[in-house]
Amino acid sequence: QQQVKQSPQSLIVQKGGISIINCAYENTAFDYFPWYQQFPGKGPALLIAIRPDVSEKKEGRFTISFNKSAKQFSLHIMDSQPGDSATYFCAAGGNQFYFGTGTSLTVIP
Amino acid sequence: ETGVTQTPRHLVMGMTNKKSLKCEQHLGHNAMYWYKQSAKKPLELMFVYNFKEQTENNSVPSRFSPECPNSSHLFLHLHTLQPEDSALYLCASSQGGVLNQPQHFGDGTRLSIL
Repeated sequence: QQQVKQSPQSLIVQKGGISIINCAYENTAFDYFPWYQQFPGKGPALLIAIRPDVSEKKEGRFTISFNKSAKQFSLHIMDSQPGDSATYFCAAGGNQFYFGTGTSLTVIP
Repeated sequence: ETGVTQTPRHLVMGMTNKKSLKCEQHLGHNAMYWYKQSAKKPLELMFVYNFKEQTENNSVPSRFSPECPNSSHLFLHLHTLQPEDSALYLCASSQGGVLNQPQHFGDGTRLSIL
């Protein structure tokens, strides 16, 4: 059973557009929700994270929206750039730690 | 050096070989992790060490044997592996050994089993 469900599997966005990636979880014991960015040949790099006491967190062009009652959270990338083309993973942590299956983002010029 | 360093970056081995993966972190963290990353599957947490003590072993086959001599170094000893063990093995570290703290990853070892 997949603990963290991520969608879409792949995403193509025009430069300057908004990229949105969604994740859902089941275990209400999770209390830490990070997003990672991974480029080919590199390990995942922590992008931004949120805890369930807030509904939104913004860092530069990256925003996490968190809906505790729906057990869903999403990553919004504003003004998407070709350099944002990478694979993005959501994750959930608490007494266990699980990753989503990843979203391959392509930003076309 | 800074961050989390993994060696070797690539490894090809036969099913009867014995090899080891090495990870070193220069972040002053006290917890270290091994993950397996396979195509089309979520990253799988294999082992967690907190202050050199193993705190998690997520049903990993015994052909994978971790070793953590101190808080900065982590090894994964491999023996009698199977073709399905071919994957990217990632090491990570964090300040705390609980699973709700930021983890910092190395660039992984790409393992291929012949």
